Order: sequence, then structure tokens, then C-alpha cells
Amino acid sequence: NAGVTQTPKFRVLKTGQSMTLLCAQDMNHEYMYWYRQDPGMGLRLIHYSVGEGTTAKGEVPDGYNVSRLKKQNFLLGLESAAPSQTSVYFCASSGGQSSYNEQFFGPGTRLTVL
Amino acid sequence: GDSVTQMEGPVTLSEEAFLTINCTYTATGYPSLFWYVQYPGEGLQLLLKATKADDKGSNKGFEATYRKETTSFHLEKGSVQVSDSAVYFCALINTGGFKTIFGAGTRLFVKA
Repeated sequence: NAGVTQTPKFRVLKTGQSMTLLCAQDMNHEYMYWYRQDPGMGLRLIHYSVGEGTTAKGEVPDGYNVSRLKKQNFLLGLESAAPSQTSVYFCASSGGQSSYNEQFFGPGTRLTVL
Repeated sequence: GDSVTQMEGPVTLSEEAFLTINCTYTATGYPSLFWYVQYPGEGLQLLLKATKADDKGSNKGFEATYRKETTSFHLEKGSVQVSDSAVYFCALINTGGFKTIFGAGTRLFVKA
């Protein structure tokens, strides 16, 4: 049981390049989330999904797109990377309808945009 | 809307000192409350949780009690170790919800 995995772990992009971050979970969770973490800013929600085939905008969605074609995978895309997107990206997942739905986090992807 | 406020860090303590990290929340309804910990270079992981008023969550020597009257969930540990150096996040999920509201995080440094 691997939990939540993210690939890649590190990436360096040039401004204007595109990339996709992959998140996979093997806990059969309905909900998945993408966050970014910047120094002194805590966690900010980018996009989330409440089930296969659904996505929704979070707090800071601009410049990112997501897809959830399979229940276990949640992809985060950057179509045209900008230096402001330099950050550490975390994927998380959580279970079904419950009032105490803890989130399980991946190890993170450290992205640098030059 | 719902929110979580926790004390600003960094907090620097000597080994075996007593730790308190304050957390207060604003929420309608009856939220569940959580503390997550993030060790250097890793993702967040759940440390402890409490789902109703007066519940005490505990794990690894850490404790926090859900105080509805003061809307607080302060994290405490009687004797910290160097290995407790990490960032601690207070969080809530409101009744019937699924999105977690996180505080800004408090960095703890423990010196040997």
C-alpha cells in the first residue's frame, strides 16, 4: 500500500514550457486535491476533485489545469510556466462523506521555473 | 467563512522543554479538528484529531483538547525532542464537508 505518490519529485522548467504533474493514490479515495506551498504562505488549494471525471477550482487556480480521468489519478498541468509558479506542489486524497475526513499527502514535487 | 488561526513561529525550544502551540478557529456548525505535522522535505501527515467538543486527541506524546467554549485546539507536549522539529498545521473540516481549512503553520525548532 503506497498511499499517495507523486511524480516527478523535482523539475526545472524554463518560462513558457509546459509540464504535467502526476498524482496517484491506492486507497480508493473519492476526493483528491492539489496544493502549492510557498515560504511563509502555508498551503493554498489549487484545484480539487470530488470524484472520477469531476474537477473544481480552489483558491489559486489561474495558470493550472487538472484532469481526473481515473479515480486513482489526478493530473496537474501547467500550460505555460511562469517564475511565479516556482513552488512545492502537494497532492492529497481523502475518503468519502464523513465529518472527519483526514487527508493523506504525497511527498511533494519541487518545481523551479527559470 | 471558516478559518483557522495559529500562533506565528518559529518557536525555538530546548530539548525536554514543554511545548504549546496555540490554535483557534472560526466555524459554523460542529467542525472536526486536526493537527498535521510536516517534517523537512516531506508532505503533511496527520498527527492527531478530535471530532467533537471535549474530545482529546493524542499521538506520539502530543495532545490537544477540543474546546468549543473558547473555539480552541491547542497542541501540547510535555517534553520535546530534537526529532520533533517540524512545521505543525492546525486544521478543520466542517460538518458534512470534505475540504480541509488549514492554518498557516508553526515552525518548531528543538535544540539539543
